[in-house]
Amino acid sequence: AQKVTQAQTEISVVEKEDVTLDCVYETRDTTYYLFWYKQPPSGELVFLIRRNSFDEQNEISGRYSWNFQKSTSSFNFTITASQVVDSAVYFCALLGYNQGGKLIFGQGTELSVKP
Amino acid sequence: GAVVSQHPSWVICKSGTSVKIECRSLDFQATTMFWYRQFPKQSLMLMATSNEGSKATYEQGVEKDKFLINHASLTLSTLTVTSAHPEDSSFYICSAGGAVTPSYNEQFFGPGTRLTVL
Repeated sequence: AQKVTQAQTEISVVEKEDVTLDCVYETRDTTYYLFWYKQPPSGELVFLIRRNSFDEQNEISGRYSWNFQKSTSSFNFTITASQVVDSAVYFCALLGYNQGGKLIFGQGTELSVKP
Repeated sequence: GAVVSQHPSWVICKSGTSVKIECRSLDFQATTMFWYRQFPKQSLMLMATSNEGSKATYEQGVEKDKFLINHASLTLSTLTVTSAHPEDSSFYICSAGGAVTPSYNEQFFGPGTRLTVL
């Protein structure tokens, strides 16, 4: 079974705080891809990152960083020095190689950054 | 990057009418398109997968006679909500794969269509 769990439904922080969004996944595929998307109030999904199962290197892009740990089946996302514009719903998603292109989304985490 | 458009971006209709939503890949040929539905404060749920020239494959619990999907060309897929009712009010999002890389490792999302049924 394919499953993505984002245990944090809502997170509220004050601007400039660091915040980590958790993502835990389940899959039987040995080849798979993990994604993070941002969904602002407009609704359009914004692609943030894609990681394949063979690349466990952590990635940093500006204030964003991702920690991929296969041993714990986790793909966590950290925003450093959060800003009000980071307020959105963030989705973690899983795409298994043998799943016909079906993306499985987590429940989403609503991040609210207050000034 | 690959661009996917949806039309209309929002629609309001009366109960019992049918609504058609278009999903277009603007700068690539999409061999596979996916339709998702998202209710307020919820995640995206896959409704169906369509391959160009083939019948769509629907997820369990999705009524194929109510949500008609046509993928007539490599750049266009349509979702028709037939005899819409208020409970069909939702945010419908399409995605397309098979561009630079196969859909099993990347998809490109449209901006979504907000359907309100009165």
